[in-house]
Amino acid sequence: DSGVTQTPKHLITATGQRVTLRCSPRSGDLSVYWYQQSLDQGLQFLIQYYNGEERAKGNILERFSAQQFPDLHSELNLSSLELGDSALYFCASSVAGGPVDTQYFGPGTRLTVL
Amino acid sequence: AQSVTQPDIHITVSEGASLELRCNYSYGATPYLFWYVQSPGQGLQLLLKYFSGDTLVQGIKGFEAEFKRSQSSFNLRKPSVHWSDAAEYFCAVGSTSGTYKYIFGTGTRLKVLA
Repeated sequence: DSGVTQTPKHLITATGQRVTLRCSPRSGDLSVYWYQQSLDQGLQFLIQYYNGEERAKGNILERFSAQQFPDLHSELNLSSLELGDSALYFCASSVAGGPVDTQYFGPGTRLTVL
Repeated sequence: AQSVTQPDIHITVSEGASLELRCNYSYGATPYLFWYVQSPGQGLQLLLKYFSGDTLVQGIKGFEAEFKRSQSSFNLRKPSVHWSDAAEYFCAVGSTSGTYKYIFGTGTRLKVLA
């Protein structure tokens, strides 16, 4: 158990809908990362937050947005969902968000878009 | 552009045999390099990382990796594989070009024969 929690574990929704994925980092970690893992795209870094501020952005679509709240939990919002958004979404956390920080991954949220 | 290549999609070894998983990267400066393992249905777990110093890095679960700048490689090794090592292994590079982000390879799925 990494100490990172993600809810829900599974999510099934329809095209065009909007969903919110939630992540609670390990106690003491200030930085949160979001990743998407799919069969065709592999593991893609989406976005990183540090202490409530966006720190780095990867291959995140404009339909997707994220935020980190004062209590350090984070939410990833996915809107206007398409079939291709079906994937496993991981959250990870680290102490300070630096380049050599160890990232601790949560168990993931499996999103299925029908 | 930065990239990570894992040339072997699948590898099968017998239990007790040695293992080497290949990783090549493309990056202009000294990279930050990582190996992660993903067991079925789980999130990723860091095995080891390199950012400077000794080019032979020891990790958890008996794994080690060697950074070879001349070959742009960071191969993962284990002298004797256990059945519990069956999993998917990801090499990643941390890019500090622009905003910091992580780039993952496509992964190598390891199968261990009893």
